[in-house]
Amino acid sequence: EVQLVESGGGLVQPGGSLRLSCAASGFTFSSYDMHWVRQATGKGLEWVSAIGTAGDTYYPGSVKGRFTISRENAKNSLYLQMNSLRAGDTAVYYCARVWGVGYGMDVWGQGTTVTVSS
Amino acid sequence: AIRITQSPSSLSASTGDRVTITCRASQGISSYLAWYQQKPGKAPKLLIYAASTLQSGVPSRFSGSGSGTDFTLTISCLQSEDFATYYCQQYYSYPLTFGGGTKVEIK
Repeated sequence: EVQLVESGGGLVQPGGSLRLSCAASGFTFSSYDMHWVRQATGKGLEWVSAIGTAGDTYYPGSVKGRFTISRENAKNSLYLQMNSLRAGDTAVYYCARVWGVGYGMDVWGQGTTVTVSS
Repeated sequence: AIRITQSPSSLSASTGDRVTITCRASQGISSYLAWYQQKPGKAPKLLIYAASTLQSGVPSRFSGSGSGTDFTLTISCLQSEDFATYYCQQYYSYPLTFGGGTKVEIK
């Protein structure tokens, strides 16, 4: 079964750090671009970061310089290192895969919740 | 960044109705647009990619059209399981951006 499972969410104080993980199974992880997308409670979807099969990375301005996406193909794992967290980063974080240019995010994890609060 | 304006933000419809949702991009994105369905407490589900290609396993009552800046998602005959929130997303260029969502509610 093709599956993505996120972990690592939790409560963190403003200015703190957290590392999210996404475990992939049932497909050739190294062949897919991978993304993180977040959703604050009651709000829409916001793209957070992407990493290509060659390790190229992309971020929106809202997280650039604070978040780092990485992947470990040998472990079929995707990561998101989040530093200098703010209240506005509070959201459910999803990982998702994309086959390549021209395709949408066809498999999503169940999400992990990050709460930034003092 | 490319802005995606999605409309309406919500709509009420009955089972069997034909429903249309539109997305407009702030600049041309060719056909690099996807549509997703999301139900409460669940992850989004890919319905359509490349503006009009139906994802495997998605019912044929869903269809997408458009290219350039204007796109449409149509549900030809609304079913009870289609009541959800729908999002469009451009992947023409980074940063990727989503529309604000359309909540389809029961009339």
